[in-house]
Amino acid sequence: QKEVEQNSGPLSVPEGAIASLNCTYSDRGSQSFFWYRQYSGKSPELIMSIYSNGDKEDGRFTAQLNKASQYVSLLIRDSQPSDSATYLCAVNKDTGRRALTFGSGTRLQVQP
Amino acid sequence: DVKVTQSSRYLVKRTGEKVFLECVQDMDHENMFWYRQDPGLGLRLIYFSYDVKMKEKGDIPEGYSVSREKKERFSLILESASTNQTSMYLCASSPDRVPSNQPQHFGDGTRLSIL
Repeated sequence: QKEVEQNSGPLSVPEGAIASLNCTYSDRGSQSFFWYRQYSGKSPELIMSIYSNGDKEDGRFTAQLNKASQYVSLLIRDSQPSDSATYLCAVNKDTGRRALTFGSGTRLQVQP
Repeated sequence: DVKVTQSSRYLVKRTGEKVFLECVQDMDHENMFWYRQDPGLGLRLIYFSYDVKMKEKGDIPEGYSVSREKKERFSLILESASTNQTSMYLCASSPDRVPSNQPQHFGDGTRLSIL
């Protein structure tokens, strides 16, 4: 079992729809969770961070965390073609290790 | 804004060469990281450093070493480059403060080809 798992996709949604991206993690001691967006040929760009159970909203993005079920998700409302990218879920496994563990990413395609 | 600068966007080297990848950050971050990214394998941690002259192995340190002589600069060294080290290399930095798990900020990446 991978430490951080994401469906590789592609996830295809029509423009204006809600895109839902999911991530599960194996280490129950994980403390912090991040979503990065990566355009083809570019480096990852942080879009959301979440530390406690529940929802966190930032503009069109909502991150959801459920530590009991060990999953974190990202919702993108009113999806735009410019949202087409690979979305990486990253988890900090415990407070002693400063590095993040990344999932392999989900490729999102927003169809105009 | 955090600025993480990697010295080269593209680099072509030959097998057996010693290769240096440089990374500089301007935000006085304590932590710096080197990852490589390969299709289907995602981002994998090679080494990280949490202070000057301090380093810790990541998940795939074999064939690599690092140097951190100044806080702002973190170098990745391929001691004797091999073709299986052809990859995208990403440098990142993060502050080391409460909450202890701060997000990492990435440089633009170096696409390294070993021929």
